[in-house]
Amino acid sequence: ELKVEQNPLFLSMQEGKNYTIYCNYSTTSDRLYWYRQDPGKSLESLFVLLSNGAVKQEGRLMASLDTKARLSTLHITAAVHDLSATYFCAGWGAQKLVFGQGTRLTINP
Amino acid sequence: GAGVSQSPSNKVTEKGKDVELRCDPISGHTALYWYRQSLGQGLEFLIYFQGNSAPDKSGLPSDRFSAERTGGSVSTLTIQRTQQEDSAVYLCASSLGQGAYNEQFFGPGTRLTVL
Repeated sequence: ELKVEQNPLFLSMQEGKNYTIYCNYSTTSDRLYWYRQDPGKSLESLFVLLSNGAVKQEGRLMASLDTKARLSTLHITAAVHDLSATYFCAGWGAQKLVFGQGTRLTINP
Repeated sequence: GAGVSQSPSNKVTEKGKDVELRCDPISGHTALYWYRQSLGQGLEFLIYFQGNSAPDKSGLPSDRFSAERTGGSVSTLTIQRTQQEDSAVYLCASSLGQGAYNEQFFGPGTRLTVL
């Protein structure tokens, strides 16, 4: 059974700094997803990572996947306040998405 | 085009009452998923449909929960004899087909509060 764990669960950072959110998963997953959720809102798809070594970038966010280590990372570069949200990673296990616990990111001016 | 819609957006009910939550998927999407998001449990899978069939009901927490889908479109999640622990946000998602290679698009959710 696929299990997905994120860390850290809470992250408070200053604008302009860089940081990384880690997502570990327990068994093989065909794909790895990253979602963003703003308070009171639904999930917005950020990245879909398809294979080992995949790297995708959108603005200040970059996601990567290492299937051998069963690890995905979401790197934030020069954070800005607008990136404050909760970020979830999810793997695909037994015909459904299995989510990590989420990382609540707060970016302070 | 229209995304996944859910209704109601908020529902407050008394313990012991039945509730129905509705999901309208994106037109043409054959797969539909229900998830629950609660403080203690995070985001958890409840059930999915491929067409009108539900091959996997393993995530339904108890026999008080049931779901159906008609016409390969609208789905209804029903919770009977609601309990306070049922309070959560219920999210629906749809995708073109079932499987990892079909991206899921999420609706805005229904926030259920059981008093």
